[in-house]
Amino acid sequence: GAGVSQSPSNKVTEKGKDVELRCDPISGHTALYWYRQSLGQGLEFLIYFQGNSAPDKSGLPSDRFSAERTGGSVSTLTIQRTQQEDSAVYLCASSAQPSGSGAGELFFGEGSRLTVL
Amino acid sequence: AQTVTQSQPEMSVQEAETVTLSCTYDTSESDYYLFWYKQPPSRQMILVIRQEAYKQQNATENRFSVNFQKAAKSFSLKISDSQLGDAAMYFCASVSSVGYALNFGKGTSLLVTP
Repeated sequence: GAGVSQSPSNKVTEKGKDVELRCDPISGHTALYWYRQSLGQGLEFLIYFQGNSAPDKSGLPSDRFSAERTGGSVSTLTIQRTQQEDSAVYLCASSAQPSGSGAGELFFGEGSRLTVL
Repeated sequence: AQTVTQSQPEMSVQEAETVTLSCTYDTSESDYYLFWYKQPPSRQMILVIRQEAYKQQNATENRFSVNFQKAAKSFSLKISDSQLGDAAMYFCASVSSVGYALNFGKGTSLLVTP
């Protein structure tokens, strides 16, 4: 596709259930990011994938959160045993180069809004 | 670590007028990049403008320009001739030149009135 695609757009789940959020980055982009946007807050960095390197998971808030990126393309963010505080918009972004390189403009998807009841 | 502060949760501007959104940041890095992103109701973040810290000249993109004060660690966004389509959340962000994860402020909600 032409842009970053995320699914589902909206997800309502019950507390304690597991959820999977999917991100399909722009073709050829080696860098992929997950951010969390809680109500009234800025974007909180979760995890970063760059090519075949080990991901930077330093932003994951707990061990209930995990992410993988298969074949250097599609990424899945999994939240196990969801809690109400997990309710947020989860944004995925990709870039051709790391953003600190100066040429790495981030292209964002429209996010997945997660509501935990 | 870099922190970004946006002190204006909400701003309002009349159509065709000019508005300035404030942003300050804190970093120990000597080389870094600063950004303004726009988030409309569709939720998709869109890059508005980017500034390289080593450049003294303020970046401009059509009706959007920045006032970059490196010593004061200030990076404000000026929107000229405001249009209804400019209504959105605006986020200021920074990244070190050797980093990759953007640090975002909490955003400023801009309302444009006819």
